[in-house]
Amino acid sequence: LAKTTQPISMDSYEGQEVNITCSHNNIATNDYITWYQQFPSQGPRFIIQGYKTKVTNEVASLFIPADRKSSTLSLPRVSLSDTAVYYCLVSISGDYKLSFGAGTTVTVRA
Amino acid sequence: DGGITQSPKYLFRKEGQNVTLSCEQNLNHDAMYWYRQDPGQGLRLIYYSQIVNDFQKGDIAEGYSVSREKKESFPLTVTSAQKNPTAFYLCASSISDSLGYGYTFGSGTRLTVV
Repeated sequence: LAKTTQPISMDSYEGQEVNITCSHNNIATNDYITWYQQFPSQGPRFIIQGYKTKVTNEVASLFIPADRKSSTLSLPRVSLSDTAVYYCLVSISGDYKLSFGAGTTVTVRA
Repeated sequence: DGGITQSPKYLFRKEGQNVTLSCEQNLNHDAMYWYRQDPGQGLRLIYYSQIVNDFQKGDIAEGYSVSREKKESFPLTVTSAQKNPTAFYLCASSISDSLGYGYTFGSGTRLTVV
């Protein structure tokens, strides 16, 4: 599995855009990039997945440059309820084992 | 509603006891997983199962055992051989080849050794 590196923590204020960058220098051709969100004492929740360029859904956007060695999760206009841990993962077809690192703790303040 | 149910939410174990954590899903997912989470850390994979009657060890399987007799159920037993079992345990399921997309997690069981 490709190793990922992301910041330990980030602080923001309500209404701001939060961008979390994840490095995955040894990502392989068949790997996908997936982000999960976890609130305290709950299981992680799928946010978004992408392979290249840009993916957008109702929750977030995912930007992946051409070399795919990094990706950026963008959370538009965050609110207090977006305070959570965000995990960046790479996953490959046929490999069932998702590896969750320590994630990025995002704290949104009023 | 489809989902994963973990029970109990809180569990207390005495030293030397085995305890079993329940995980049931009605999503018709083939694959199921058990993760352990310690404070301030990410999730570590204990066991996973791709089909009924088959399962594989994850990264930290020592001191744990599982069974997969039914597609819907994947119970985890924390044995007395697990020296530091106090943790938050999460069960998840997915379709067979999900590429990491759409893992569904339960709400977890917090196990404490007393």
